[in-house]
Amino acid sequence: TQLLEQSPQFLSIQEGENLTVYCNSSSVFSSLQWYRQEPGEGPVLLVTVVTGGEVKKLKRLTFQFGDARKDSSLHITAAQTGDTGLYLCASSSGGSYIPTFGRGTSLIVHP
Amino acid sequence: ETGVTQSPTHLIKTRGQQVTLRCSSQSGHNTVSWYQQALGQGPQFIFQYYREEENGRGNFPPRFSGLQFPNYSSELNVNALELDDSALYLCASSPRTSGGAARRETQYFGPGTRLLVL
Repeated sequence: TQLLEQSPQFLSIQEGENLTVYCNSSSVFSSLQWYRQEPGEGPVLLVTVVTGGEVKKLKRLTFQFGDARKDSSLHITAAQTGDTGLYLCASSSGGSYIPTFGRGTSLIVHP
Repeated sequence: ETGVTQSPTHLIKTRGQQVTLRCSSQSGHNTVSWYQQALGQGPQFIFQYYREEENGRGNFPPRFSGLQFPNYSSELNVNALELDDSALYLCASSPRTSGGAARRETQYFGPGTRLLVL
């Protein structure tokens, strides 16, 4: 089973600041998903990255997949209070789409 | 289009009891997966159902069992509840179309059922 390490575990910042969270594995990802989970809700898929070196942008969110496909990062520019939530990375191996999730980074953005 | 719904939203049980959680998949989705999310952890895969059959299982004991119905809705049953079973139970549906190896369809999660075992 692939283990996913996410860092930092907790992040508390002011509105307008920039931040980066990380997802790492000792194994190669076949694909990697980033989710955001708000309190009382299930995770919502933000993006899937597949190709090493890939960069995807979703408004103020920038997702990067490492060249070796063992790490990924999520960068948020000018954070807003609505960005508050648990950011989870997930990956699957082989031909199965049964994802393994990391523990997540809990982000709080203060007004 | 109706999203994934789960019932009940909250549940309190005592150790040793049995519980049934329910999930209605998103319209057009034939695959349902169940996850357990303990406080401060990411979701852990329990099992997946495709066309009413179990199609993959995580590292959970047999007292965790499930069903999928012809309308693709699903149940998660947990027998002999233990204190450590207290968690958020998430259901996710996806529109898997392949009869062979699973493909990378996006999973859509419901809001979860929060179970507390006393």
